[in-house]
Amino acid sequence: GDSVTQMEGPVTLSEEAFLTINCTYTATGYPSLFWYVQYPGEGLQLLLKATKADDKGSNKGFEATYRKETTSFHLEKGSVQVSDSAVYFCALSAPNSGYALNFGKGTSLLVTP
Amino acid sequence: EAGVTQSPTHLIKTRGQQVTLRCSPISGHTSVYWYQQALGLGLQFLLWYDEGEERNRGNFPPRFSGRQFPNYSSELNVNALELEDSALYLCASRARGANRGAFFGQGTRLTVV
Repeated sequence: GDSVTQMEGPVTLSEEAFLTINCTYTATGYPSLFWYVQYPGEGLQLLLKATKADDKGSNKGFEATYRKETTSFHLEKGSVQVSDSAVYFCALSAPNSGYALNFGKGTSLLVTP
Repeated sequence: EAGVTQSPTHLIKTRGQQVTLRCSPISGHTSVYWYQQALGLGLQFLLWYDEGEERNRGNFPPRFSGRQFPNYSSELNVNALELEDSALYLCASRARGANRGAFFGQGTRLTVV
């Protein structure tokens, strides 16, 4: 079945550092890919998405490119802020599963001043 | 536009009791998904409702059930509560025919004692 693998956390960075969170997927067909963010005590927020190969999703300085050849969707940000501290989830959805989101286990990010 | 709303926000129940959680999707969204986020277990897909019908369910026992109403709101029922049912229950909604991602509510924190 479809699955998503994320790098294990926690990731600790200093403010203004470069962030990469790796995400790879296994899927039949052509899924859409997403990054969600969960701030402490809150629900999940859609951060960015890409619906086909080579699409780049971007939002709030975060970017991720849908790479079909490497089945990856790595999240990057050039300069993180303390307010970016949260848990980040990579997810995929596909028509064969009714577009239900299939999540990775999440990566906790802590940004220190 | 109002987002996905869930009620109640917090709940404490005793083992063996029954609980009902409620979700109102974004206006115009016809699909509702339920997820369980238990500590250390990530986000687990529970149920998918679309147009009033249960379309798919995750690997959960039958004591987890629900329904979707004609206005597309949804209920999740959990019978015979067990301690390990303690978790954050998240509801998400998606527009018909769109794979632009699902949008989540803030969740209901259920504690079983």
